[in-house]
Amino acid sequence: EVQLVESGGGLVQPGGSLRLSCAASGFSFSSYWMTWVRQAPGKGLEWVANIKQDGSEKYYVDSVKGRFTISRDNAKNSLYLQMNSLRAEDTAVYYCARSSTAPRPNWFDSWGQGTLVTVSS
Amino acid sequence: ETVMTQSPATLSVSPGERVTLSCRASQSVSSNLAWYQQKRGQAPRLLIYGASTRATGIPARFSGSGSGTEFTLTISSLQSEDFAVYYCQQYNNWPSLTFGGGTKVEIK
Repeated sequence: EVQLVESGGGLVQPGGSLRLSCAASGFSFSSYWMTWVRQAPGKGLEWVANIKQDGSEKYYVDSVKGRFTISRDNAKNSLYLQMNSLRAEDTAVYYCARSSTAPRPNWFDSWGQGTLVTVSS
Repeated sequence: ETVMTQSPATLSVSPGERVTLSCRASQSVSSNLAWYQQKRGQAPRLLIYGASTRATGIPARFSGSGSGTEFTLTISSLQSEDFAVYYCQQYNNWPSLTFGGGTKVEIK
């Protein structure tokens, strides 16, 4: 069974940092593009970042470029999101999602339960 | 960036009714479109990919159609467990994988 378990969320002050983790199991983690998607309270879904199977390609939504860094450790079956210079508008539930085994990402067929990040003073 | 627009924002429906949800792309996404269902307090669940292919375990009452810029998700006979928010997502014009704003299907 595919499992994605996020951790690391919490309350942080504006300008602060947080590192999210996603532990994957039940599938060949190193074969898949992986993604972070977020959802602000009462709002829709927003793609945040993608990382290729070997970590050689990374892509970000414009609003987080230069502040967030996606990474992965295939030996540990883990995905990460380092979030720096956090703003109130980054407040959201952050989901880890599995994408594609293909050369490019596509749909998201498995999702974690999400971890809540709250940016507030 | 490809903007995805869903309509209506909210749909009030009775159980057993046929439901049609719309998703429009600001530029062609070919058939590279997925649909998700999200229930309150839960993560999204993949329903449809490739515009019309049901994901594993998805009931046959869910069907998707369309290509280019116009897409439809149809629920042939709404069940009580189908009341949720539905999102479309394009993956043609990457690396930005954009979602629509969602359609909430509520009990009439």
